[in-house]
Amino acid sequence: QKEVEQDPGPLSVPEGAIVSLNCTYSNSAFQYFMWYRQYSRKGPELLMYTYSSGNKEDGRFTAQVDKSSKYISLFIRDSQPSDSATYLCAMRSFQKLVFGTGTRLLVSP
Amino acid sequence: GAGVSQSPSNKVTEKGKDVELRCDPISGHTALYWYRQSLGQGLEFLIYFQGNSAPDKSGLPSDRFSAERTGGSVSTLTIQRTQQEDSAVYLCASSLELGNQPQHFGDGTRLSIL
Repeated sequence: QKEVEQDPGPLSVPEGAIVSLNCTYSNSAFQYFMWYRQYSRKGPELLMYTYSSGNKEDGRFTAQVDKSSKYISLFIRDSQPSDSATYLCAMRSFQKLVFGTGTRLLVSP
Repeated sequence: GAGVSQSPSNKVTEKGKDVELRCDPISGHTALYWYRQSLGQGLEFLIYFQGNSAPDKSGLPSDRFSAERTGGSVSTLTIQRTQQEDSAVYLCASSLELGNQPQHFGDGTRLSIL
């Protein structure tokens, strides 16, 4: 079993929809949680970085962490075609990041 | 530069050849990391540096892989006697320091072994 599980998708939504992306993890030692966005042939771009359980909001993006359930989410409001990309969750274990396999999101105009 | 810079962006080489991949981190970042991204495997941690020192090399897939960092800045990842299974995107990231600082990635080197 992988330490971090993420549905690979693809997830297809119409423009303007609310998108929910999720990851589960098994290692309770994970303390820091990140969401990265990756466009084709580009490196991962950091979107959200959280530590504690609860919500963190940044513009159209909200990251949610539930440590008791070992479950994290990323919500995208008013999704745009430019949001079409692969979204990777990541968790810090000592000095390295452990990544989910990524969810491919397609937002159609 | 403004971001992490990696070169070459693409590399095609024959099986058995040695390759050298370069990473130039964000100015002022003392910590540097190498990851590998393969189809269906996701991102896999390889090694990290604090300054010029790599305390933990256990993530390197085999002894054909080595990495060094000089002057606390540029790092090179070397793969000797390349095999087809080494084909992947090699990503470099840097952070302000070790610990809880976020890691920022370059666009990677896409390595293809024929």
